[in-house]
Amino acid sequence: NAGVTQTPKFQVLKTGQSMTLQCAQDMNHEYMSWYRQDPGMGLRLIHYSVGAGITDQGEVPNGYNVSRSTTEDFPLRLLSAAPSQTSVYFCASSYSTDRVHSPLHFGNGTRLTVT
Amino acid sequence: DAKTTQPPSMDCAEGRAANLPCNHSTISGNEYVYWYRQIHSQGPQYIIHGLKNNETNEMASLIITEDRKSSTLILPHATLRDTAVYYCIVRPLTGANNLFFGTGTRLTVIP
Repeated sequence: NAGVTQTPKFQVLKTGQSMTLQCAQDMNHEYMSWYRQDPGMGLRLIHYSVGAGITDQGEVPNGYNVSRSTTEDFPLRLLSAAPSQTSVYFCASSYSTDRVHSPLHFGNGTRLTVT
Repeated sequence: DAKTTQPPSMDCAEGRAANLPCNHSTISGNEYVYWYRQIHSQGPQYIIHGLKNNETNEMASLIITEDRKSSTLILPHATLRDTAVYYCIVRPLTGANNLFFGTGTRLTVIP
């Protein structure tokens, strides 16, 4: 049981490049989400999904796309990277949001630098 | 979701109890109090949650005031490994499991 796995751990992009941050979980969790964390700040929600085929926007969705074709995977796509997207990205998952006691499990993050 | 207010930083001597306060004066009746912590460079980790009763698990205790407007997370015997940023979050009983993190309290355990 690996939990929430994020790849890559580190990435450097040039402005305008695109890339996909991968997130996979093996706990059969229905809910998955992406957060970004900038220096000295808390985490901010980018996108989330309550199940396969369903996605929705969070607090800071601009510049990012997501899809949820399987329960296990929830990739985050940067369409055209900008320096403002330099951040640490965390993926999280939990059981269905209909269940009250459902703590979020986080991955260890992807550190992205856009030059 | 209700907002929370936490002190930006606290120190605690190793082996002593760490008491981390959180104010959530606008909490609604259907909102739970959750605590997470983030050790440097890692993803946040769930600690404990509660509605109105005091709660205890293997990691910590959570004391919620009777009016539910504030709470205290207690680490009974702090160790150096407890040095982290601690986040107090409130979220509704139902709805998407979206957590709104503030800046938390940076706890430093001093040898």
